[in-house]
Amino acid sequence: GQNIDQPTEMTATEGAIVQINCTYQTSGFNGLFWYQQHAGEAPTFLSYNVLDGLEEKGRFSSFLSRSKGYSYLLLKELQMKDSASYLCAGGGNKLTFGTGTQLKVEL
Amino acid sequence: DAGVIQSPRHEVTEMGQEVTLRCKPISGHDYLFWYRQTMMRGLELLIYFNNNVPIDDSGMPEDRFSAKMPNASFSTLKIQPSEPRDSAVYFCASGGDSYYGYTFGSGTRLTVV
Repeated sequence: GQNIDQPTEMTATEGAIVQINCTYQTSGFNGLFWYQQHAGEAPTFLSYNVLDGLEEKGRFSSFLSRSKGYSYLLLKELQMKDSASYLCAGGGNKLTFGTGTQLKVEL
Repeated sequence: DAGVIQSPRHEVTEMGQEVTLRCKPISGHDYLFWYRQTMMRGLELLIYFNNNVPIDDSGMPEDRFSAKMPNASFSTLKIQPSEPRDSAVYFCASGGDSYYGYTFGSGTRLTVV
């Protein structure tokens, strides 16, 4: 089965750094995804980790530790437009999503 | 590429009516997924196809739900009869190489009254 946990909500300040954690227990693990979803819109792909370590993509980075069943998404130089829900997802081809972390960026 | 195309964007129907949601995946993607999203349960996988063949439909709530993929460019999700608890946003997603993730359509917001 699949079980993915992430915090329900977080608040951060514009220009700051925020780390969103995700823990998982999945069978048939084939990588860990992060998606961003703005209110009323579809989820959009941010990152994919299949090996341990840090993957950096501009202001966004994602980390994976398979032995610990742990991942995080790091957002740097926060902007107001980063206010959204961030979804952690794992599994094989059959992706299971966490319930999402609602990030609010404040001035 | 126009991305994953879903129709309709919004659907309001009365309880007991048949509802058909449509999806056109990105050309060349060999995986297609149907998800349902609600505030209470988040994103739930209903069914997915690989090369037009249903692989796992264990997420389909009950016999009232059915999905087909007659060819590589079209899929439908049908609910018959619909019930108020089916109200949700239904997303279709397609994908090929996992490295690039799965691309979601804009979703169909279904309201059953």
